[in-house]
Amino acid sequence: AQSVTQLGSHVSVSEGALVLLRCNYSSSVPPYLFWYVQYPNQGLQLLLKYTTGATLVKGINGFEAEFKKSETSFHLTKPSAHMSDAAEYFCAVRRGSGTYKYIFGTGTRLKVLA
Amino acid sequence: NAGVTQTPKFQVLKTGQSMTLQCAQDMNHNSMYWYRQDPGMGLRLIYYSASEGTTDKGEVPNGYNVSRLNKREFSLRLESAAPSQTSVYFCASLLGGTDTQYFGPGTRLTVL
Repeated sequence: AQSVTQLGSHVSVSEGALVLLRCNYSSSVPPYLFWYVQYPNQGLQLLLKYTTGATLVKGINGFEAEFKKSETSFHLTKPSAHMSDAAEYFCAVRRGSGTYKYIFGTGTRLKVLA
Repeated sequence: NAGVTQTPKFQVLKTGQSMTLQCAQDMNHNSMYWYRQDPGMGLRLIYYSASEGTTDKGEVPNGYNVSRLNKREFSLRLESAAPSQTSVYFCASLLGGTDTQYFGPGTRLTVL
């Protein structure tokens, strides 16, 4: 069965520092992986997704993630944090190749310090 | 293009009351979803509709019913609300083959 685990429910970084949000997955089939962002009092918005092809995926707002099969990981990174990056981030995996249902992680709240 | 809209934005119910949460999308998407978001639990799928006329249970369907009225609209009904249903409810839609869900702004529901 597919699942995702996000390490760290809260992460704080200084403005300008590297952002690293961790996501590990469990999947019995090649996974389809996603990162979503949720700004306060809003719905979720897709940041980036890995389906097939290149393992380094670039998304919006300068974020990127690398699919590492050997480590079953899909960590989200951004070289330089901006105050506007403060939000909650969710990793997700598609349940299987024959369905468009998804499982979400428990979320990581990112705080950016001035 | 409004995307995914949800009504109401906020609602307070008493235990045992019923209500329907409305969701509509104007992107001609086939699939629609209802999730609930609770602190420390992430998003959990309540019900899913792959296309007009079809619905499927998700992870936490107990206490809820859904109706896919047409391609645009997908409603969620609480027949007898319980305090455990206090949550933020999100509707989402997806165009088949894209793997990109579009979320509404949410409904914050409190059951006393």
